[in-house]
Amino acid sequence: GAGVSQTPSNKVTEKGKYVELRCDPISGHTALYWYRQSLGQGPEFLIYFQGTGAADDSGLPNDRFFAVRPEGSVSTLKIQRTERGDSAVYLCASSSLGGNYNEQFFGPGTRLTVL
Amino acid sequence: DQQVKQNSPSLSVQEGRISILNCDYTNSMFDYFLWYKKYPAEGPTFLISISSIKDKNEDGRFTVFLNKSAKHLSLHIVPSQPGDSAVYFCAAIGGTSYGKLTFGQGTILTVHP
Repeated sequence: GAGVSQTPSNKVTEKGKYVELRCDPISGHTALYWYRQSLGQGPEFLIYFQGTGAADDSGLPNDRFFAVRPEGSVSTLKIQRTERGDSAVYLCASSSLGGNYNEQFFGPGTRLTVL
Repeated sequence: DQQVKQNSPSLSVQEGRISILNCDYTNSMFDYFLWYKKYPAEGPTFLISISSIKDKNEDGRFTVFLNKSAKHLSLHIVPSQPGDSAVYFCAAIGGTSYGKLTFGQGTILTVHP
């Protein structure tokens, strides 16, 4: 079966622009996570969805970042007024159930470069 | 505050020898620990995990050791193979995390033939 897919694989944008990053989780997975990995660092949690609702958005750095999952499957991470510091690899993961002990399967990530 | 730390940015090992990757944590609420492996341009893939009620978990060539009193865990790979060359991330979870993984910075492992 297909794994987690993310599009685009690379995105280059200019400072101040708006971007959308898409995640297609494994079919049937109810939990979806977004992480951000900056150069030389490990992934950092951004937001967790259980179904359609954001159960934990404590990792979103500021109000320029927003994510949706309207039908409980595909999710979109939206970044407004991008800044150079937003440049990173944005990773999406899904798991069959939420909670602490269910394996998370990661997508390949979207590399965002803000010029 | 870095709650999970991997203090060695890189490790170089000869094929057939043991690789030992280390990880320290500070949050006492963590009760489940995982190791992920990452190749370039791919997402992290789960390797092995350990619950805080255990001190060792083994899966083939991979063994994870947990020392709760020292808040330290390590991943042993033996024998190491060139295909093991990748970035290894330690991650932890616990309390009311709802599955939110806290990762270390990663260690680049290079296994030389």
